Amino acid sequence: KNQVEQSPQSLIILEGKNCTLQCNYTVSPFSNLRWYKQDTGRGPVSLTIMTFSENTKSNGRYTATLDADTKQSSLHITASQLSDSASYICVVSAQSGANNLFFGTGTRLTVIP
Amino acid sequence: NAGVTQTPKFRILKIGQSMTLQCTQDMNHNYMYWYRQDPGMGLKLIYYSVGAGITDKGEVPNGYNVSRSTTEDFPLRLELAAPSQTSVYFCASRRDSGGNGELFFGEGSRLTVL
Repeated sequence: KNQVEQSPQSLIILEGKNCTLQCNYTVSPFSNLRWYKQDTGRGPVSLTIMTFSENTKSNGRYTATLDADTKQSSLHITASQLSDSASYICVVSAQSGANNLFFGTGTRLTVIP
Repeated sequence: NAGVTQTPKFRILKIGQSMTLQCTQDMNHNYMYWYRQDPGMGLKLIYYSVGAGITDKGEVPNGYNVSRSTTEDFPLRLELAAPSQTSVYFCASRRDSGGNGELFFGEGSRLTVL
């Protein structure tokens, strides 16, 4: 069964600290994995995409990793800011089909001053 | 470039009423989706469409209907609203299912059924 699990469910950190969010998946055949950021009251927006051959990709203070062998991805946020407070959703695409997207339930990150 | 536009942003319905959530995209995307998001839960697929005239059920289609008469528009119809349909609804689109097709989301429509 194709599933995506994220941990932790929620996280509170102090401004300026680092944190790492986890995403484990069982989607097969795997095509790619995206991390989306969803601000409160807004729609999700893509942060980064990881394909099978990519291990690490950075987007500013966000660094995503992918281990295709263990089917795990992480999103590391460096020097957190108050604006990083949001839900982070991991979405895994299978290789074919219009309905080929599998969503994690998200990690709710709160950055406090 | 407006992207994906949803209306209304907020709506309160009485049990048994009907309404239509509107969604339009200006990116000429073939694929469009409707999701619902309940508090603390992930996004669940209601219906999707791969092009004008083609729609299919997702994970939670009961109580909803859709149509896709044009590439741009993908309205979601709620018939006989029930409290269980209280949720935030997101419309999304992408070019196709291949490659690294990014999903573009609307801002959401918050529906309360009392």
